[in-house]
Amino acid sequence: QSALTQPASVSGSPGQSIAISCTGTSSDIDFYTYVSWYQQHPGKAPKLIISDVTNRASGVSDRFSGSKSGNTASLTISGLQAEDEAYYYCNSYRRDTSWVFGGGTKLTVL
Amino acid sequence: QVQLVQSGAEMKEPGASVKVSCKASGYTFTGQNIHWVRQVPGQGFEWMGWINPNGGRTNYAPKFQDYVTMTMDTSISTAYMEVNRLRSDDAAVYYCVRDTRNYNMDVWGQGTTVTVSS
Repeated sequence: QSALTQPASVSGSPGQSIAISCTGTSSDIDFYTYVSWYQQHPGKAPKLIISDVTNRASGVSDRFSGSKSGNTASLTISGLQAEDEAYYYCNSYRRDTSWVFGGGTKLTVL
Repeated sequence: QVQLVQSGAEMKEPGASVKVSCKASGYTFTGQNIHWVRQVPGQGFEWMGWINPNGGRTNYAPKFQDYVTMTMDTSISTAYMEVNRLRSDDAAVYYCVRDTRNYNMDVWGQGTTVTVSS
């Protein structure tokens, strides 16, 4: 299965807002609202932050928000903090009953 | 709290098999599917398939259909994933992940590193 397309890296200064895009196809992101976002710190397991495009997972800061337009989903992080520095991955259910992940985006907090 | 605890790191030779376990706690094991996902070092994630612990039904990604087997033991709330005929490009961190019952994945195991080397 082809991966969803994410930028390799994004960066921002503390307090700023950034957005990470995740582009899919008419068979996944454009067809369903089953898009999730995960945060992964080096050497750790991923942590769910957003499910169903916009739903924040329990305990996740409201600085994290998700959205979707057509075949592109986005994760926005406002008020950047040092601890937000991590890798972020998107994931979507597909019409062929499989799941597909993005290649990951490294967020650097300057 | 909900937890998935996986078995420890494995080192195998090419052509061998490896079986990874995933013990669930903090919720009803038979109530939600378990996915298996792998991450090749420095790369993204690859979905391998899922198992429904309530009956054992499976759904494999086509790439893994012929050499991966997912099973479970409900008496000990544990899911298993076996990779047969290991190749060097099967070296990865393997994760079990709980399904939300709504086509998302929420809780992840800590990961099991599988090294393939002669």
